[in-house]
Amino acid sequence: DGGITQSPKYLFRKEGQNVTLSCEQNLNHDAMYWYRQDPGQGLRLIYYSQIVNDFQKGDIAEGYSVSREKKESFPLTVTSAQKNPTAFYLCASSKQGGDSGANVLTFGAGSRLTVL
Amino acid sequence: AQSVAQPEDQVNVAEGNPLTVKCTYSVSGNPYLFWYVQYPNRGLQFLLKYITGDNLVKGSYGFEAEFNKSQTSFHLKKPSALVSDSALYFCAVRDLFSYGSGNTGKLIFGQGTTLQVKP
Repeated sequence: DGGITQSPKYLFRKEGQNVTLSCEQNLNHDAMYWYRQDPGQGLRLIYYSQIVNDFQKGDIAEGYSVSREKKESFPLTVTSAQKNPTAFYLCASSKQGGDSGANVLTFGAGSRLTVL
Repeated sequence: AQSVAQPEDQVNVAEGNPLTVKCTYSVSGNPYLFWYVQYPNRGLQFLLKYITGDNLVKGSYGFEAEFNKSQTSFHLKKPSALVSDSALYFCAVRDLFSYGSGNTGKLIFGQGTTLQVKP
């Protein structure tokens, strides 16, 4: 079955460490997204990519970095510059082309990052 | 700027009763509106969307939503609630801001409404 796989499901980090969250999809989707979820704040967009080797900042990109070297993969690095990284991170993908705004996002199961 | 609001943090309903989860939006141009559901420690699942056409949209698991342009609302409804419907529900609107290659699938989400259905 096609879908999005996020790993690890749970991750603990010490302050000052960078961590990388993995996101892999086999849906043949061109666009991929990273959202951060905090209680009572909904989902906020960190980065997104419409095509390989290209990505754009979302609303809260500071302290995060991404790469898109392959269509299937969109890893997110949470750097030590992110002041409050404890959160639930969701990766999503969607088709691109035509009226892309009408396309449905498919989400992974999420990764929960806790800073100790 | 596009925005979406869910005025209720939590909605409580008895099993078998109708349920409504409210959503209002503010957009430039025609809105593309979506509802997603999230179960604990899981990703979001798509329920339904409104792009154009009939104001009453039917979706997964017996849910439907009514688009009301004059009230700028897109409330989620179900005629008879189930305990298994208990979850976190998100309303979202398409973000019209686009880069170079045109439209994107970017969404702006509301803060979410917890639906609690009691037996």
